[in-house]
Amino acid sequence: SQKIEQNSEALNIQEGKTATLTCNYTNYSPAYLQWYRQDPGRGPVFLLLIRENEKEKRKERLKVTFDTTLKQSLFHITASQPADSATYLCALDPSGTYKYIFGTGTRLKVLA
Amino acid sequence: DAGVIQSPRHEVTEMGQEVTLRCKPISGHNSLFWYRQTMMRGLELLIYFNNNVPIDDSGMPEDRFSAKMPNASFSTLKIQPSEPRDSAVYFCATSGASGNTIYFGEGSWLTVV
Repeated sequence: SQKIEQNSEALNIQEGKTATLTCNYTNYSPAYLQWYRQDPGRGPVFLLLIRENEKEKRKERLKVTFDTTLKQSLFHITASQPADSATYLCALDPSGTYKYIFGTGTRLKVLA
Repeated sequence: DAGVIQSPRHEVTEMGQEVTLRCKPISGHNSLFWYRQTMMRGLELLIYFNNNVPIDDSGMPEDRFSAKMPNASFSTLKIQPSEPRDSAVYFCATSGASGNTIYFGEGSWLTVV
């Protein structure tokens, strides 16, 4: 079956460290992959998009990699801050028809 | 820009009652999505409209669910009759012409007792 897997266990890291979140997918060949942030009681907010021909994408303290051979994307937050604590979701459009599928998300907690 | 506006934000209703959730998309966005989020299943796409036309409703769980988009600035998701297992957060989301960024509303938190 088609699915996206993210680590369902919460990730706790110390402030200032780099957080790394993983998104694995099976049975897809997406043209691009997205990452979203979701705070409690709020809707997801778009952060970054990476295309299949891009190995890496950066935005301020965020970095995303996309390995189409491994079918994996890694999401890094460098110099993490308590304000980065949230749930992070990856999403992709398997068929190019805007029918986005989301992972279940990984909850990140940055400890002061 | 006000973003995607959903109402009501919270609704508690009794089993068997009709529930109507409303969405005002971002002006100019031609794609509209209804998602449901639960702890067990995460975010699930229920239905997708493009230019007010339903394109894919394969995610709608049962005939009790229906969605409409009568014009470019309004959509509804209706559950009739509601059941306790429908309790979830329902998100409306939209995207523009490029289609590769989705903008979510703040969600409608539905509890069916």
